[in-house]
Amino acid sequence: KQEVTQIPAALSVPEGENLVLNCSFTDSAIYNLQWFRQDPGKGLTSLLLIQSSQREQTSGRLNASLDKSSGRSTLYIAASQPGDSATYLCAVRLNYGQNFVFGPGTRLSVLP
Amino acid sequence: EAGVAQSPRYKIIEKRQSVAFWCNPISGHATLYWYQQILGQGPKLLIQFQNNGVVDDSQLPKDRFSAERLKGVDSTLKIQPAKLEDSAVYLCASSLRFGEKNTEAFFGQGTRLTVV
Repeated sequence: KQEVTQIPAALSVPEGENLVLNCSFTDSAIYNLQWFRQDPGKGLTSLLLIQSSQREQTSGRLNASLDKSSGRSTLYIAASQPGDSATYLCAVRLNYGQNFVFGPGTRLSVLP
Repeated sequence: EAGVAQSPRYKIIEKRQSVAFWCNPISGHATLYWYQQILGQGPKLLIQFQNNGVVDDSQLPKDRFSAERLKGVDSTLKIQPAKLEDSAVYLCASSLRFGEKNTEAFFGQGTRLTVV
């Protein structure tokens, strides 16, 4: 059974810092991995999608990497801003099924 | 492009009552998911449809939860009777058919259910 964990559970940083969020999964047989952002009381917004054959994806100040063999992905946020404050979730899509398995999320606070 | 639409946004019901949620996926998306997100946790899959067929409902509490997607487009999720532990946000998501090039999932705003 695929399990997804995220470290740290919560993170508070001053504005301008670069930061890394971690995601680990137990079964490397994944189809792809997706990072989401969730603001309080809102749905999920897709940030980056990495296919299993890719090593990384970039969008603006965000960079996500994938190491299937070690079962890890990282989300790098450059020059953090208060508007980045949210919960960040990673989800893996399975090969043999089609559903997403989510991690518990990392709650990020960027202080002005 | 319109996103995934869900209604209602909020619902408060008493335990043992019934409730229904509605989802309209992005046009052309064959795959539709219902997730339950309890406060402080990641979403957990309840049911997945491919067109109007069920792909995975292994985590759906079938004694009280039901879902349908009759015409392969809109979907409804029903809870009857509701329990206190059903209080959560119910998220609907859609994506292109599995195996197509871009299988990115898009989520709706969710329905926040409170059972009192």
